[in-house]
Amino acid sequence: VQLVESGGGLIQPGGSLRLSCAASGFTVSGYYMSWVRQAPGKGLEWVSVIYSGGSTYYADSVKGRFTISRDNSKNTLYLQMSSLRAEDTAVYYCARSPTWNYGLYYFDYWGQGTLVTVSS
Amino acid sequence: DIQMTQSPSSLSASVGDRVIITCRASQSISNYLNWYQQTPGKAPKLLISAASSLQSGVPSRFSGSGSGTDFTLTISSLQPEDFATYYCQQSYSTLWTFGQGTKVEIK
Repeated sequence: VQLVESGGGLIQPGGSLRLSCAASGFTVSGYYMSWVRQAPGKGLEWVSVIYSGGSTYYADSVKGRFTISRDNSKNTLYLQMSSLRAEDTAVYYCARSPTWNYGLYYFDYWGQGTLVTVSS
Repeated sequence: DIQMTQSPSSLSASVGDRVIITCRASQSISNYLNWYQQTPGKAPKLLISAASSLQSGVPSRFSGSGSGTDFTLTISSLQPEDFATYYCQQSYSTLWTFGQGTKVEIK
């Protein structure tokens, strides 16, 4: 199992960016897949999840600005980020959650993270 | 949203010490509580799921307990590689949340 994020970088406030997370060793559509971020020197913040059935959920801090999606043919997870703010600056991780225990969802595999810096 | 509050935010301990970290949920979350360990520059690592289920390969000196709103992570005898930041995470609601973290430092 491997998760490899890409797409991070320096972006101006108000701009847009799309992160990718290429998965190998398993099928993304068979798991709940999330984005978790960590601002410099701060704790972990769950950002969004896409269920195996396609439902999506977002933290209040990003709802309406970020969109999670996946491409089953490429086995890749995405995070489209728009109207970016300085407070969105963070390392963004993608993470996998097994679904075989209803209600109990944990992150068993993580990517290495990609840094997004929102600054003028 | 369900708020997760960890205490303490940081602690200093010596090798061999018993360390207890607590995590409190703003409402009952049954046992839908997981614990992670993170060292600087690395992705978090899952230690315990379902409040008390130790993940494969995690040393037995780690243990978890609790249900409802109050949970604990115990390290029975702190080892040098255990100096890290620990996070709890709930999946009871559709909006998952982490605690703010507890940094375990060398005394």
